[in-house]
Order: sequence, then C-alpha cells, then structure tokens
Amino acid sequence: DIQMTQSPSSLSASVGDRVTITCQASQDISNCLNWYQQKPGKAPKLLIYDASNLETGVPSRFNGSGSGTDFTFTISSLQPEDIATYYCQQYNHLPRTFGPGTKVDIK
Amino acid sequence: QVQLQESGPGLVKPSQTLSLACTVSGGSISSGSYYWSWIRQPAGKGLEWIGRIYTSGSTNYNPSLKSRVTISVDTSKNQFSLKLSSVTAADTAVYYCAREVHFWSGDYYFDYWGQGTLVTVSS
Repeated sequence: DIQMTQSPSSLSASVGDRVTITCQASQDISNCLNWYQQKPGKAPKLLIYDASNLETGVPSRFNGSGSGTDFTFTISSLQPEDIATYYCQQYNHLPRTFGPGTKVDIK
Repeated sequence: QVQLQESGPGLVKPSQTLSLACTVSGGSISSGSYYWSWIRQPAGKGLEWIGRIYTSGSTNYNPSLKSRVTISVDTSKNQFSLKLSSVTAADTAVYYCAREVHFWSGDYYFDYWGQGTLVTVSS
C-alpha cells in the first residue's frame, strides 16, 4: 500500500492568514492526488483533484501543488467557514489511501 | 443531482455480518464510467477505503479487509451493497458510500458521497 503522511496534524491560524498543509506519499504517485475538506458530522468534500485542479464551485483561495512524493495544499486567506479537517488521497494505486488529516482551527 | 444514501442496521453483534446498502438517486448506477465505493471512518480517526464495484460488476477490495468483504450491485434497485463478515469492535465506524469518477486522462476522484451511517459493533 502507498502510505500517505500529512503535516501538521493540526494548526490554529487567524482569519486572513495563509495556511499551508503538506502531504507526502511513500512512493512516487506522479500527480495522482486529491484533497478533501471534511466538516464535523459531514462527508468529505472534494476541493482539489489531480494535485492542482480546483473542483468546480470551490473558492479560488484553495490551491494545490506538487508531484511525485511531495504535495502542498494552501488556503491563501483563511475564512471562518474553512474550519475543518483536510485530507489528501492518492489514486495512483489500489488500495486508495488517505492521509491522516490536518485539523484547521481559528485562533 | 446525484445523491447517495446509506441504509442498514446501526448495531451489529461481534462475529456477525455487517450489511449496508447504498441507494443512488438522480442517475443510473449502471451508466457512465463510475466506481461505486465504500469508505469508513472510526470516530475521531481518518478515512479507510474498503473497496469498490464497477458498473460492469468487477470489484476491488482493500487487502486488509479482502477476506471479509463483499460488494455487490443490484441495478434493479439502483443500489449497491456492502457485506463485512466476522465483525469486531474494531469495525465500529461511520460507513460512507461514494462515487468514484474516472476520466480518460487517468484522473480519479470521489465526487459524490452519502451522508454516512454509524455502525456500532457491540453485544
């Protein structure tokens, strides 16, 4: 299985701050990476696919980059509604695997 | 608008079989290039992919669960199902059904999810 790691596991930032989350794959997955947002009690929601493509309807303050084994997810200006846990997920191989998540809070 | 809805018992006894169904509305389960998937999440933990079934009926399972999992589809009900046998407390989780779409470009992602259903394994 491809193992996914994320850092940090949690962070606290102020409204308007730039937030960065990193995701690392245990082997080269090219650009086969998605990012999801999960709010408490809700199903995950797709934000970014193919490492850097913004899903339709998702605000442009969300951004993804990277390829190979190292990926970055950025919120350019944190908003109160962005409070959630964010997961990366690889689709280069089966089984599909997710990172452990990064919980984002407002300071 | 496609919608997915999980259904099934919320409580299962240890050693028994967990059975869930996912009803798809707003589109046919047998059309398009979609994988119909099950994903679970223990309380306060991350997401674990269980397996999927393609519109053709072919399946893929997580090796960690493969010996206990069966995913099937009932096109007449526009529904797909999960069976997980010999459950233990470690199988207690919120179970999600989801649609994985794939493109000629090689991209895959989960675009529609059910709301999730909590299954507790306890005597």
